[in-house]
Amino acid sequence: GAVVSQHPSWVICKSGTSVKIECRSLDFQATTMFWYRQFPKQSLMLMATSNEGSKATYEQGVEKDKFLINHASLTLSTLTVTSAHPEDSSFYICSASHPQGKRAFFGQGTRLTVV
Amino acid sequence: QQQVKQSPQSLIVQKGGISIINCAYENTAFDYFPWYQQFPGKGPALLIAIRPDVSEKKEGRFTISFNKSAKQFSLHIMDSQPGDSATYFCAASHGSSNTGKLIFGQGTTLQVKP
Repeated sequence: GAVVSQHPSWVICKSGTSVKIECRSLDFQATTMFWYRQFPKQSLMLMATSNEGSKATYEQGVEKDKFLINHASLTLSTLTVTSAHPEDSSFYICSASHPQGKRAFFGQGTRLTVV
Repeated sequence: QQQVKQSPQSLIVQKGGISIINCAYENTAFDYFPWYQQFPGKGPALLIAIRPDVSEKKEGRFTISFNKSAKQFSLHIMDSQPGDSATYFCAASHGSSNTGKLIFGQGTTLQVKP
């Protein structure tokens, strides 16, 4: 199956700093990628839709200035958590839509801990 | 109307038994219904998916039953194994060009006892 890779798998950062998470589709080109957030023992909540070459579309309640998304190429989308605070600590997961069949393939997730 | 409601929240099944997880939706525009399996600390992995034009789909030990009129669908895991112990999510999306934009159910934690 298609492979989507996230990096890093985990990161610890100090409050007030920014953290960048990368999502790459390794063996297919993805014009659309998605970013989700998951709190412990909870479901995945869609944060934003990332479209290659255009601005991301954010879900209601998600601060676009807080969570910066860049989709500069057909294989890479990045999520930058700016001025991170402890409440931003969560599991962030990306997915990419395969151009054939439009199935979504998920990355392995990134555990962010803000201290 | 965008919600997908999943039950039960947790499930314990003996090895060899059948695990059944149910989901219900409201939005009749949904036309793609996948099930995902997630292990702790990992991203979700697609198990099986169905579209509303069929009432059942089977892949190995996993079967989706779909009831369009009731707006419900379920996952059946036959001959459940301890390795199946994980969290399962149903999901839904609409628009054939955007199946990556998924609305997830609340999740079901399955424990299969040896």
